[in-house]
Amino acid sequence: GQSLEQPSEVTAVEGAIVQINCTYQTSGFYGLSWYQQHDGGAPTFLSYNGLDGLEETGRFSSFLSRSDSYGYLLLQELQMKDSASYFCAVRNSGNTPLVFGKGTRLSVIA
Amino acid sequence: GAGVSQTPSNKVTEKGKYVELRCDPISGHTALYWYRQSLGQGPEFLIYFQGTGAADDSGLPNDRFFAVRPEGSVSTLKIQRTERGDSAVYLCASSFLGSTEQYFGPGTRLTVT
Repeated sequence: GQSLEQPSEVTAVEGAIVQINCTYQTSGFYGLSWYQQHDGGAPTFLSYNGLDGLEETGRFSSFLSRSDSYGYLLLQELQMKDSASYFCAVRNSGNTPLVFGKGTRLSVIA
Repeated sequence: GAGVSQTPSNKVTEKGKYVELRCDPISGHTALYWYRQSLGQGPEFLIYFQGTGAADDSGLPNDRFFAVRPEGSVSTLKIQRTERGDSAVYLCASSFLGSTEQYFGPGTRLTVT
């Protein structure tokens, strides 16, 4: 089976940096993805790590350590619009379905 | 270009009724996925199509759930004899073959009374 663990809630101040961790247990592993979902909205793709290391996309970065079955999403220069739920997700191969964590609800406060 | 669209956006039905949920994927995307999301949870996989065929239907909870994609584009998720526990947001996603990114539709919120 597959399971992912991430914190249920995180609160951070506007302009600050926040890190959302994700640990996973999977029978096979192809890569770790991160999705953002605003209330009532669709999940939208943020980042993907297939190899160990850091991937940077603007204010968002994602890290993966396959040996530790661990990854994180780093959000810099937080803005109020970043308040949303963030999901880590894994897959076994390139076209297999994503297995999602339960999500981390990020609240950005002034 | 147009994203993934899903209809209806909301569906309220009575227990025991039959419902159909439709998904229009992004043009050219060969892979199509159905997920179900309950409040406070992540999306849960239901079924995955590669072209017209179901490549993986291991997530369908029971035989009341069925999905088709007859022409390799639009897909319909069908739920028979609905139960209150089927209430959730049903999400559809599509992607190119081999892509690591899935594009999600806005979902259909199903409420079974």
